[in-house]
Parts: sequence; C-alpha cells; structure tokens
Amino acid sequence: EVQLVGSGGGFVQPGGSLRLSCAASGFTFSSYAMNWVRQAPGKGLEWVSTISGSAHITYYAASVKGRFTISRDNSKNTLWLQMDSLRVEDTAVYYCARDSANYWGEIDYWGQGSLVTVSS
Amino acid sequence: DIQMTQSPSSLSASVGDRVTITCRASQGITNYLAWFQQKPGKAPRSLIYLASSLQSGVPSKFSGSRSGTDFTLTISSLQPEDSATYYCLQYNTYPLTFGGGTKVEI
Repeated sequence: EVQLVGSGGGFVQPGGSLRLSCAASGFTFSSYAMNWVRQAPGKGLEWVSTISGSAHITYYAASVKGRFTISRDNSKNTLWLQMDSLRVEDTAVYYCARDSANYWGEIDYWGQGSLVTVSS
Repeated sequence: DIQMTQSPSSLSASVGDRVTITCRASQGITNYLAWFQQKPGKAPRSLIYLASSLQSGVPSKFSGSRSGTDFTLTISSLQPEDSATYYCLQYNTYPLTFGGGTKVEI
C-alpha cells in the first residue's frame, strides 16, 4: 500500500524558515517523481514544486522560486521541502504527492498534509 | 502559464442526479488532464487521469471526457458521499495548474 506521511509543519514568523518532510513507503521511491502541492485556508490547490526520481531535475512555481528548495534522499525514502524567507501568503496546508510511473505531473497518490502558518 | 477555467464554482443537486463539471484550458493540453475529489479537512483523492482513464479503485460512476480544450467530469447517480470539492489539473506543461474547484452539495 502506498503511503505518504508528511511532517514538519508549524508556526513561523515572516522571514523565517521551515522544513517539511514526507516519508514514503509501499513503492520503489526512487522510481517516481514527487511533488509538493499547497492549499491556503479556504482556497484551492496550488502546485509548488516537482523533483525527478533521480533528483536531477526540479521545477518550481514562480511564487516560491528562489525561496523554496525541494530535495529527496532515495536511501531514506524521504522527500523534503526547505522553505526560507517565508511570507504570510505561504500559509497553507502542504501536501506531498506522487507522480504516476507514466507521465510527469500525473499525480496518483497524496499524503495527508502539513499545516504551515506564517504570522507575526 | 496555462490557465484552467473550471465551472461552475458550486452546484447543488439531489441524490440520483447526474452532474457535469467542466474545465477549459487556455491552450491545448492534449489529454494531460486529471480530476481530483477533496472532502473537507482531507487530502485530495485522484479520480481520473489522461482526461478519461479511471484511477484504480474509483467507481465507474465517475467519468471524464475531452472536446478540444474543454474537459468534463461527470458523476452519475449522485450519492451523499459524493459531496465534495472537485478540481482539475493540467499536466501538459510546467507549471502545473489547477482549476479553481467546484463544490458539489447534495
């Protein structure tokens, strides 16, 4: 059974940093690209970032580029999102999500989400 | 960036009804479109990929179709457990972009 368990959310002041983790199990982690998708309170879904299975290729939304860094350790089956220079508008639930084996961006499984609150 | 315009933003229907939700892409995305269901306080659930292919375990009451840059999610025989917000996602091009969502109330 595919499982994605997120952690690391919390409260941080504007300008601060936070690192989210996503522990994966039930599949060969290194064979799949992974994503972070966020949802601000009461709002819709917003794609944040994607990393290839090998970690050689990454994509970022314009809203987070230069501030957030996606990474992974395939030996630990873990995905991370390092979030720096956080802004109030980064407040959201952050979901890790797996791409299918067929196409980039074809999300098939989602983690449960981690709440990040940025406030002074 | 490709814009995904989803309509309606909300709808109210009765048990047993057939409902249709539409996403229009601002440019061609071939069939690279997915649909997701999200219930309050829960993570999204993947329903459909490649515009019309059902994810494993998803009941056949859900179906998807494409006409040019218009994509449709149809839910037949609506049940109380189908009450949720539904989102489309284009994955033809980065950045990936979601539709604004459709809240389905029963």
